[in-house]
Amino acid sequence: DAGVIQSPRHEVTEMGQEVTLRCKPISGHNSLFWYRQTMMRGLELLIYFNNNVPIDDSGMPEDRFSAKMPNASFSTLKIQPSEPRDSAVYFCASSPGPENIQYFGAGTRLSVL
Amino acid sequence: KNEVEQSPQNLTAQEGEFITINCSYSVGISALHWLQQHPGGGIVSLFMLSSGKKKHGRLIATINIQEKHSSLHITASHPRDSAVYICAVGQGAQKLVFGQGTRLTINP
Repeated sequence: DAGVIQSPRHEVTEMGQEVTLRCKPISGHNSLFWYRQTMMRGLELLIYFNNNVPIDDSGMPEDRFSAKMPNASFSTLKIQPSEPRDSAVYFCASSPGPENIQYFGAGTRLSVL
Repeated sequence: KNEVEQSPQNLTAQEGEFITINCSYSVGISALHWLQQHPGGGIVSLFMLSSGKKKHGRLIATINIQEKHSSLHITASHPRDSAVYICAVGQGAQKLVFGQGTRLTINP
């Protein structure tokens, strides 16, 4: 299996633009997680899904952020409009279930100018 | 006070030394995770444990639920072990809260 696949790997955009990050989890995994990593705050959970259903989105910073999982093999994290403080590395992870370790994608490095 | 505290924040050692990284937490948990973040940024899950001890190769993770403390040990350390090691606690089945990480450098 290719592991968790994230795209793009790098994204540079201007303030106010819409940004869409994509994630393909490992086939057969039922849980999917979106994380954000910054120097100041470290790793933070944004939202996670079980069986394509959002379970906890309390980590989503504000209404500018939204996440969807239309099917078991694809998820998106959208920021609209983007702001410079959104600059970070965004990781997607998946796991077979609640009692399993998580497998991380390579991350998307987002820079908002 | 952070819910998950790691120590030390930075650790430099010589190749072959025995390494210990500590993690203390202040909340009830269902499981504790140890992760490794490579210099290139990729993250790998090393262990998930809720009691006792687990071993994988030269890595050993222990947890004391009563004391809310976990340790990650590396035996016969090697320069390729240089990375950031992150402790995370699961509140509920999957909701992870992360420590700030320990940057480990092993010199040849």
